[in-house]
Amino acid sequence: EADIYQTPRYLVIGTGKKITLECSQTMGHDKMYWYQQDPGMELHLIHYSYGVNSTEKGDLSSESTVSRIRTEHFPLTLESARPSHTSQYLCASSLTQNLQETQYFGPGTRLLVL
Amino acid sequence: KNQVEQSPQSLIILEGKNCTLQCNYTVSPFSNLRWYKQDTGRGPVSLTIMTFSENTKSNGRYTATLDADTKQSSLHITASQLSDSASYICVVSDRGSTLGRLYFGRGTQLTVWP
Repeated sequence: EADIYQTPRYLVIGTGKKITLECSQTMGHDKMYWYQQDPGMELHLIHYSYGVNSTEKGDLSSESTVSRIRTEHFPLTLESARPSHTSQYLCASSLTQNLQETQYFGPGTRLLVL
Repeated sequence: KNQVEQSPQSLIILEGKNCTLQCNYTVSPFSNLRWYKQDTGRGPVSLTIMTFSENTKSNGRYTATLDADTKQSSLHITASQLSDSASYICVVSDRGSTLGRLYFGRGTQLTVWP
C-alpha cells in the first residue's frame, strides 16, 4: 500500500467558503499530482509539481491553486467553493525507475459544495 | 487526438466466472500501458504495466495482454471473487520519462455477484 494520505476524506461545505485539501506522502517522491474525477468519468489532471517550489497547471482548467513548500506536502486550495466544484479529488505522487514512471494514488477527497 | 477507450462500460458476472475487459488506444508515441484497479471511494492501484515489447503480463488472477500493432489491450480476470468488484482503468503513457503524459480511460465498472 502506498504511503500517500489525503484529508479530509469527505467534505460538505457551503458556497463561497475557502477550503484546503491536504495531501502528503512519505516516500520522498519529487513529482506530485492532483486529479479531478467525476463518477463514471476519467481522471483529469488539474495540477502537478516536479518538486519544491514547482507547480504547473494540468490539462483541465481549474479555479483551484496549489503550493509545494515541502517535498512531502502538496495542498490544493479553493478560495471560494461553488457547486460546480463538487467532485472527487485524487492526489498522487510518482517514482521513475528504468524510464518507467509509477504513480501512487491517495484515497481521494469527496467534495460536495451546497 | 490521443484517446483511450474502454469496453464494456459496466459488467456483471457471477463469482467464480472469468471475464475480459478491453482497452483501445490511439496514443502516440507509446511508452507503456497500465491497468489500475479502483475500489469505490479509494484511489487507483496499479495492477500491471506493459511496455512496447511485452505481450502479456500476469499478476495473480489478473492477466493483461498488449498488441502494440493494433493498439489494443485486454485484462483477463480468472475465477472472479467478490473483492474484484471495482472500476478497472486503462492508462497509457506517451513516453517513459518524467515528461511523459498519461491518458486515462473512463474505466469498466465490474460487479461480481455471489
